[in-house]
This record gives sequence, structure tokens and C-alpha cells, in this order.
Amino acid sequence: NAGVTQTPKFQVLKTGQSMTLQCAQDMNHNSMYWYRQDPGMGLRLIYYSASEGTTDKGEVPNGYNVSRLNKREFSLRLESAAPSQTSVYFCASSAGQLYGYTFGSGTRLTVV
Amino acid sequence: QQQVKQSPQSLIVQKGGISIINCAYENTAFDYFPWYQQFPGKGPALLIAIRPDVSEKKEGRFTISFNKSAKQFSLHIMDSQPGDSATYFCAASMFSGGYNKLIFGAGTRLAVHP
Repeated sequence: NAGVTQTPKFQVLKTGQSMTLQCAQDMNHNSMYWYRQDPGMGLRLIYYSASEGTTDKGEVPNGYNVSRLNKREFSLRLESAAPSQTSVYFCASSAGQLYGYTFGSGTRLTVV
Repeated sequence: QQQVKQSPQSLIVQKGGISIINCAYENTAFDYFPWYQQFPGKGPALLIAIRPDVSEKKEGRFTISFNKSAKQFSLHIMDSQPGDSATYFCAASMFSGGYNKLIFGAGTRLAVHP
């Protein structure tokens, strides 16, 4: 099924470890996004990429970096994981405002 | 800063009843208001959306009511079914900085009891 694919689905990290969350979309969308979801806080934007080759900070970028590898792929990297980064991470892409966002199924990350 | 306030946090409705979720926004630059539905273990999915020049939009059992002057909008689910049990997010959108900026409310967990 076409859409947004995220890997891995689950991950446990120790404090200080690093990891990269992968995201790929096959809908030829220009815009891609990384959100984190925490109970009672909705979805908060970490980073976004309006088009291939560009990335910008969202609402909660501290502790994260991103790479827009090509039009399809947008990765999120945690350089030194902290317990405060325990969350569910969602990648999304969009063809434009009227089409809404298409979300992946998420990565549940626990930092111990 | 929370630009989109959503209430209630949780809602229990009997099968066949009406579920109502309310949202309020602050920034008048928002020009598109979608609702997303999220089932456990899944990503949010676009449910229905409205532009501020329209006061109401209906799709099946789902209706958005929009009050531009009050900067409020709400989702009504008529004849609620157990399969509607999910978390619902309102959102507000505007095109800014070269991308479609989408701000989400905190979410409402809906449980429809049979």
C-alpha cells in the first residue's frame, strides 16, 4: 500500500546513545515533516522540509537533526538520546494544504 | 504556546448518541481547519476539513461547525458507533515560510459504548 513508511516501529535506547529514524514516502510529495506525540500535548512539530534540499526547525527541535536525503526520504537523528525524548514519533508528507497530511504509523521510542 | 485549544480531553458516549468536540484558535491567519482521527497504534488520518468562509461542512455522520467571529470550530459525530472510538485532533493550518504549517490541538479520546 502506498504512503509513508517509517522504520523502526519500536526502539529502546540507553541515555546517550544515538539513532536515526527513517521515513520514506512514495506519493511524490514535496513537503515532509517530523512530529512527536506525547500524552495530553497533541502532535508537536520537530523539523520540516518544504522541498528537497531544504530543512527548517519546528516547535521542538532541540536534541534532533534531520536530513532530506532526496524527495522520498526524510530522516530524524537523535545524537545523544535523553529520557525526555521518550515519545512516539510520526513522519508525515503533504501535497499541499487542501490535501492534508499523510502520516506514517509511527516509531515508539523509549530512552532509559 | 498552544495556539489551538481542544476540549474535552476525553469523552464517553453511548452508541447512537452525538459526540461533540470543541476547538478554539488564536491566530486569525489560519485559513484551513482539518480534523484528524487516530486509532491505537496508527498514525492520524485526515477525517474532514473546512475553510473559514464556510459555516458548516457535513460528510456522512461527521459535521464541522465553524464560527469565524468567535474563532471556534467543533466536530459533531452523529449516531456515534463503537467503531468511532479513537483519538480526534483538531488542527489549524496556514501557508507560511514556504510550507503548509499545521498546528494541532491536544486531542480528545472518544469512547463509544455499545
